[in-house]
Amino acid sequence: EAGVAQSPRYKIIEKRQSVAFWCNPISGHATLYWYQQILGQGPKLLIQFQNNGVVDDSQLPKDRFSAERLKGVDSTLKIQPAKLEDSAVYLCASSLEEETRDGYTFGSGTRLTVV
Amino acid sequence: AQTVTQSQPEMSVQEAETVTLSCTYDTSENNYYLFWYKQPPSRQMILVIRQEAYKQQNATENRFSVNFQKAAKSFSLKISDSQLGDTAMYFCAFSTSYGKLTFGQGTILTVHP
Repeated sequence: EAGVAQSPRYKIIEKRQSVAFWCNPISGHATLYWYQQILGQGPKLLIQFQNNGVVDDSQLPKDRFSAERLKGVDSTLKIQPAKLEDSAVYLCASSLEEETRDGYTFGSGTRLTVV
Repeated sequence: AQTVTQSQPEMSVQEAETVTLSCTYDTSENNYYLFWYKQPPSRQMILVIRQEAYKQQNATENRFSVNFQKAAKSFSLKISDSQLGDTAMYFCAFSTSYGKLTFGQGTILTVHP
């Protein structure tokens, strides 16, 4: 089966600019997650979707970050305006059901550099 | 809130030897899952092994095995017959039945020829 697709692979922007990342989960996976991984740290959950509804966005900086999952399939994560501390890898993951006993399937991530 | 701690920022091992990566966690939950993920330079998180907390038997996947000590809240990963391709960042992670993974800080493992 095809994996979780993410684009772009790399992005460099100036602070205060906006940026968007795209994720296409594995077909049929109801649950989708966006994680932020700062260099040298473990990933941190930003937002979790179940189909097209938000389950957990408690760690999402809502003043600058937004995410949507229209039609319960693809998802986009947007940052506007970007700050230097947003430099990180943004990982998307999906799972068949909300239960996480089997873990997730991760994409290869987008590396964002804010200069 | 759950926390996951990996106290070894870096580890190294000679090819064909055995290495153990440590992980401790804190939770008040009784039912949960523990995972070890491998992240090579390609950045993709790859599931290495998982353990259900209700199972006393330690999980094993080929050269990878865990030592799960529920009372001590410890979950270490043993890699036997280390291979050059095992070089990567390794993350210990925790989840309850539903919801997010909580990751540790990671351990960089280098396998030397």
